[in-house]
Amino acid sequence: GAVVSQHPSWVICKSGTSVKIECRSLDFQATTMFWYRQFPKQSLMLMATSNEGSKATYEQGVEKDKFLINHASLTLSTLTVTSAHPEDSSFYICSARVLGTSDSYEQYFGPGTRLTVT
Amino acid sequence: GQNIDQPTEMTATEGAIVQINCTYQTSGFNGLFWYQQHAGEAPTFLSYNVLDGLEEKGRFSSFLSRSKGYSYLLLKELQMKDSASYLCVPLDSNYQLIWGAGTKLIIKP
Repeated sequence: GAVVSQHPSWVICKSGTSVKIECRSLDFQATTMFWYRQFPKQSLMLMATSNEGSKATYEQGVEKDKFLINHASLTLSTLTVTSAHPEDSSFYICSARVLGTSDSYEQYFGPGTRLTVT
Repeated sequence: GQNIDQPTEMTATEGAIVQINCTYQTSGFNGLFWYQQHAGEAPTFLSYNVLDGLEEKGRFSSFLSRSKGYSYLLLKELQMKDSASYLCVPLDSNYQLIWGAGTKLIIKP
């Protein structure tokens, strides 16, 4: 159980375009979903935390108008990278926190989306 | 501030045992996770410790000492597929995971 999917798994886009990444919890309801970014050989960096039905909380230094997060249901969150630039090329990973269990602080990770902006 | 200290890289031999140490400093503490991350993939959960002591799960065991701000991950009967990065991830007072760069473990035949 506790499977998280992401789509697409990789995407190449042109500079200036927007890209949407979906994160779904397949067999559980997620209280909270998290979006991370990871550059090569660096640690995961939390970008934002989103709770279903409310606005996402962005970490310091993350532009909320550039990285749009929509958490429409307990099983789906989307991250849209708007007006993408080459420096946005990275590995984007979502995770979900399980609702209502004793392990409620464990995060289950999606497989990640590799974004390349040309 | 919040800080995690792990070796950057370790090398071990297939079939052997390796211990990856971690010391941490966080604003409050609500437990500690160990995650495994293969290159190019997302992290996968290995263990969670919230009380002092050893938690054993198959070939992997994790130990925690809250008073010392110390944890270790013990991997037994190493296999080539265990080559990965291992991330010591404490949970702070706000229940946020605190990520470091992890330890890259290289397994040699």
